[in-house]
Amino acid sequence: DGGITQSPKYLFRKEGQNVTLSCEQNLNHDAMYWYRQDPGQGLRLIYYSQIVNDFQKGDIAEGYSVSREKKESFPLTVTSAQKNPTAFYLCASRGAAKNIQYFGAGTRLSVL
Amino acid sequence: AQRVTQPEKLLSVFKGAPVELKCNYSYSGSPELFWYVQYSRQRLQLLLRHISRESIKGFTADLNKGETSFHLKKPFAQEEDSAMYYCALSEEGSNYKLTFGKGTLLTVNP
Repeated sequence: DGGITQSPKYLFRKEGQNVTLSCEQNLNHDAMYWYRQDPGQGLRLIYYSQIVNDFQKGDIAEGYSVSREKKESFPLTVTSAQKNPTAFYLCASRGAAKNIQYFGAGTRLSVL
Repeated sequence: AQRVTQPEKLLSVFKGAPVELKCNYSYSGSPELFWYVQYSRQRLQLLLRHISRESIKGFTADLNKGETSFHLKKPFAQEEDSAMYYCALSEEGSNYKLTFGKGTLLTVNP
């Protein structure tokens, strides 16, 4: 099954805890993105990566961190510094040929 | 400043009626505009983009640079069109980042 896989589907975070959301793609895409989706807010860009071992902050990077050690993987860590982490998180990737982003099914993060 | 504005949070129409979802953008260069759709329990997916100039599922959207708009239209709405629709903008030299509007939830009533 090709595409973008996000795991887990649901995640709960305790106070002061860091949690990591997984995003894997087998589309051979160079670029990958993380968005946060809140009701009535649309999608807001957290971090993006154009190529392995390189990534840039998006519009709301504070309290988040990422790594891009492999082309297929772009994990997002929600740190304890993120005071309002409850949201739906979407990962996307983009191929070189067309400016089209393909999205995963998302991870819903809640705070206990 | 908000780059992409979708003025309607909610839009409700009856089956068979025309539907127009509005999108205005703020950008002085040459933008690339998209409509993404999220059906219930499905992942967000591209519906159409302005450079393709195609009709997908009966929907069309024309980029109007004078009015800085990219409204999505369909002459006869179907119940299966009920979904959340997002307009998105990609700016020149932005590393293909997308700026999304806040979305419009379309409900097509039987």
